[in-house]
Amino acid sequence: DIVMTQTPLSLSVTPGQPASISCKSSQSLLHSDGKTYLYWYLQKPGQSPQLLIYEVSSRFSGVPDRFSGSGSGTDFTLKISRVEAEDVGVYYCMQGIHPPLTFGGGTKVEIK
Amino acid sequence: EVQLVESGGGLVQPGGSLRLSCAASGFTFSSYWMSWVRQAPGKGLEWVANIKQDGSEKYYVDSVKGRFTISRDNAKNSLYLQMNSLRAEDTAVYYCARDQKFDYWGQGTLVTVSS
Repeated sequence: DIVMTQTPLSLSVTPGQPASISCKSSQSLLHSDGKTYLYWYLQKPGQSPQLLIYEVSSRFSGVPDRFSGSGSGTDFTLKISRVEAEDVGVYYCMQGIHPPLTFGGGTKVEIK
Repeated sequence: EVQLVESGGGLVQPGGSLRLSCAASGFTFSSYWMSWVRQAPGKGLEWVANIKQDGSEKYYVDSVKGRFTISRDNAKNSLYLQMNSLRAEDTAVYYCARDQKFDYWGQGTLVTVSS
């Protein structure tokens, strides 16, 4: 199984400041079709998870452009350029290249 | 508007069975892979199973293989999860999610396995 490792476990950020979350996979997520199947989700308190980024760097519909994804192979990063109060919650990365699909352990983001 | 509504959760004794349903609307259900994802209380997300558009391919996490069965009825726009031989460690909120990128999620249904 592909293991997804997220760091840090938690992050406390001043509003308006940037934040960055790392996600590393135990195997390359580059598929033979040329796509890299790495996703980012945010689960706000008391809510279902929501898709932020798909295939490493494509923002899902309605996701603010302060969210960006980057990386390749086994190393990936989610960046928030200027954190806002509504960005609090737990962020998860997930690999979709091989079943079983696996999530990172999550990074809890809170506001200072 | 895409909507996914789970139902069927509840309290069940260890060894018991439960069938979860996910009613889909607002999109062409038969065109998408569908998945079940669960979240134990206070824990992270765990993918459980997924199923291809026509039901011809199904995949499961090892911990539920042989106990859970994913299925769908495209005529009824519905996804199902038959859960047998339930264990305490299956206690979780179960979400259905659309597509291989999980672009839409339901609100979840709580399954509690306890005597």
